[in-house]
Amino acid sequence: GENVEQHPSTLSVQEGDSAVIKCTYSDSASNYFPWYKQELGKGPQLIIDIRSNVGEKKDQRIAVTLNKTAKHFSLHITETQPEDSAVYFCAALGGYQKVTFGTGTKLQVIP
Amino acid sequence: DAEITQSPRHKITETGRQVTLACHQTWNHNNMFWYRQDLGHGLRLIHYSYGVQDTNKGEVSDGYSVSRSNTEDLPLTLESAASSQTSVYFCASSETGAPYEQYFGPGTRLTVT
Repeated sequence: GENVEQHPSTLSVQEGDSAVIKCTYSDSASNYFPWYKQELGKGPQLIIDIRSNVGEKKDQRIAVTLNKTAKHFSLHITETQPEDSAVYFCAALGGYQKVTFGTGTKLQVIP
Repeated sequence: DAEITQSPRHKITETGRQVTLACHQTWNHNNMFWYRQDLGHGLRLIHYSYGVQDTNKGEVSDGYSVSRSNTEDLPLTLESAASSQTSVYFCASSETGAPYEQYFGPGTRLTVT
């Protein structure tokens, strides 16, 4: 089955700096890569996604990149704000339409 | 507005007891999922369903069961609760054509003593 690894597990940045979270996947058949944000006491929420036929996608301060050859994808948050503090999960959609999640990155934005 | 709810939000039970966690969605989604979230493991899939009367095992299904008698509900049952099942449980749903866009409930924190 699919295996998704995520790094780092924790990340602290100063407000206004950029944050980068990286993930790798194992199943070359995976073709869709969503990112979820989980705020304290809540369930994860989809914030951005990228398909396998696209190399980069942006949505305001958030961008995702995908390198299919290397089987890795990344989340980039620019101009971080305190409300960006949360746990972020990468995921991959592989065979049988199942989503496999990474282990999560706890992002802390220091004002 | 459509939503997905879980109950109870918090539960404390004793080892060996049967426990059922409820999940109800009003999105009219065919796909429903149960995950457990533990530190260092992220979200692990317990069971999932692609429609009424359909249920499938995920990667950590031992000790859990589900049933799908209607579109809206997917209750998760712990047949004989164990301390290893202390965790936060999340239910999610998605449309048939978009299994990757999952809508999550608020979670149930279960403690087995």
